[in-house]
Order: sequence, then C-alpha cells, then structure tokens
Amino acid sequence: AQKITQTQPGMFVQEKEAVTLDCTYDTSDPSYGLFWYKQPSSGEMIFLIYQGSYDQQNATEGRYSLNFQKARKSANLVISASQLGDSAMYFCAMKGNAGNNRKLIWGLGTSLAVNP
Amino acid sequence: DSGVTQTPKHLITATGQRVTLRCSPRSGDLSVYWYQQSLDQGLQFLIQYYNGEERAKGNILERFSAQQFPDLHSELNLSSLELGDSALYFCASSDAGTYISDTQYFGPGTRLTVL
Repeated sequence: AQKITQTQPGMFVQEKEAVTLDCTYDTSDPSYGLFWYKQPSSGEMIFLIYQGSYDQQNATEGRYSLNFQKARKSANLVISASQLGDSAMYFCAMKGNAGNNRKLIWGLGTSLAVNP
Repeated sequence: DSGVTQTPKHLITATGQRVTLRCSPRSGDLSVYWYQQSLDQGLQFLIQYYNGEERAKGNILERFSAQQFPDLHSELNLSSLELGDSALYFCASSDAGTYISDTQYFGPGTRLTVL
C-alpha cells in the first residue's frame, strides 16, 4: 500500500531564510506523482508544486522547489526567502498509476511558522 | 482563486439531520473529488466522479452519498448526522483525473458543525 510520511509536525523559520519540509513516501508503482499543497489558517487548500517520478529535473515554481531523491523515496519541499505569508500547514501527497493507487493519498502535514 | 466553488461556506446543524453540500468544478474539469478533513484523521478521500459516473471510492460512510450532474456540478449528501461528522469538507476538481500529473484544485471548503 502507498504511504506518505511527514515527520515534522511543526517547523519554525526566520523571515527571508530558506526552509525544507520533509516528505518520504512508499509505493510499489513504477510511475507516480508527488504534490505539495499549502493550507493557510483561512482553510483553503492551495496547490504548490508537482514532481513526476520520471521527471529528469527537480520541479521549481517561483520560491518553491522540490528536492526529489528517488532512491531515498523522498520529496522534500524547499521554500526560499520565507515570507510571513508562508505561515501555514503544508501537505505532501502522492498518486500512483495502478488501480487503487490512482487515488491521491496524503501526509498528516507540517505546520510552518515564519517569524519576523 | 482556484476556480472551484463550494456552497455553503459554513453549515451548523443538529444530530440526526441531513445536509447537502454543493460544488462547481473549474471550467473544463470533468473530475470532481470530495474530501473530509477533521482534526483527528487528517484529509480523507471520500469519492471521485468523472463526467457523471462514480470512478473511485474512499472512506465514505454509507450515510453519505454523492452525485455529479450533467452540468458537472456535484453534491455531497450527509444524512443521520453525528457529532463526529463535524469537519471541513472539500471539493476538488481536475481535468480527467486519469494521468498521474492531473492536479486537483480545491474549493474553499464547507465547514460543517454538528451540534
């Protein structure tokens, strides 16, 4: 069965510094996708970035980048130049390509607080 | 703004009652997903519809049902409500939902409180 693990329940970072949020996964599918979402205190779930398992390069979207290490089964989110508005819950999710694995499964999230 | 709309934003009701949550997907998206987010269980996938047909089922209770209409909007019906059903209910939509890269875009959610 597929599984996503986010081991950091809470993280703190100083404004303007970079922060890495950890995500490890387990799957037997040869092909899969990894997603990161942000949930601010207002509640909405915002898509941030996607990485395909066969993508040659790590995904980047503005200040967000994904440190994808396939052999280690990790897909860590890196936020550069943190801003106060980055304070939120961050969820890692995965989707496989076989049968029941096509559903998006989620980690429990990491709460990020950006200090001024 | 993701383009996914959900109504109502908040809902307060009593145990034993029935409620209907409504979702309109992004323009062009054929798949709709329903999720429940509670403090103790995180984000739980309930059900997916694709172009009017049920495609995948998750941890959806028998008291809950959903459908997707010809205009692609979807409704989630929750009946015989219990205190434990209090949660944030999200609708998400994606293109077909077939490909690994199909990204799900979420609506603002409906916060359900059962008293």
